[in-house]
Amino acid sequence: QVHLVQSGAAVRKPGASVEVSCKTSGYTFTDYFIHWLRQAPGQGLEWLGWINPNSGGTEYAQKSRGWVTLTRDTSTSTAYMELRSLKSDDTAVYYCARDQSPRIVAPALDAWGQGTLVTVSS
Amino acid sequence: QSVLTQPPSLSAAPGQKVTFSCSGGSSNIGNNYVSWYQQVPGTAPKLLIYDNYKRPSGIPDRFSGSQSGSSATLDITGLQTGDEADYYCGTWDSSLSAAVFGGGTKLTVL
Repeated sequence: QVHLVQSGAAVRKPGASVEVSCKTSGYTFTDYFIHWLRQAPGQGLEWLGWINPNSGGTEYAQKSRGWVTLTRDTSTSTAYMELRSLKSDDTAVYYCARDQSPRIVAPALDAWGQGTLVTVSS
Repeated sequence: QSVLTQPPSLSAAPGQKVTFSCSGGSSNIGNNYVSWYQQVPGTAPKLLIYDNYKRPSGIPDRFSGSQSGSSATLDITGLQTGDEADYYCGTWDSSLSAAVFGGGTKLTVL
């Protein structure tokens, strides 16, 4: 059974950084891309980027470039997302999700982490 | 503002059929594949449809998807109270080199 388990909620001050982890199990980690998304309170889904766990290659949303970094550790089947220079409007639930599709043009996120609430407040 | 356009809300009675719309352009829906997600508030989204019309295992055939031109639709037949949720469409945008989503449609089952 496929599982993605994310790290717990975090509270940071403006300007700080945070790292969210996504530990996977139940499948071969390097066979599927991992996407990261966020959802601000009462808002819709916003895509941040993906990582290819096999190669470490990444693609970021234009808005994410420069403040989001995606990495992975194949030895522990874990993906990581670091957010830097946090602002209050970065307060959101952050999700990792597995893409079952081998085609970039057909994302199909079939397994999700439980979400990690990141609160940015002074 | 979302790249894909969805109506903010829909409502229907139990047992009825409801159709969700998702409108985009040639750089996204017009040339790539659409997926649909159901999200009950406070939980992670769940994949309902991928590749425009395919259902993952475990998704009942009450849920169906289609795509035509730069628009996609999700139909739910035999509505149940448990279908109350937010529904999102998503795809890849080749001009942005990014995954894009609609703003979501809130379904109320009256």
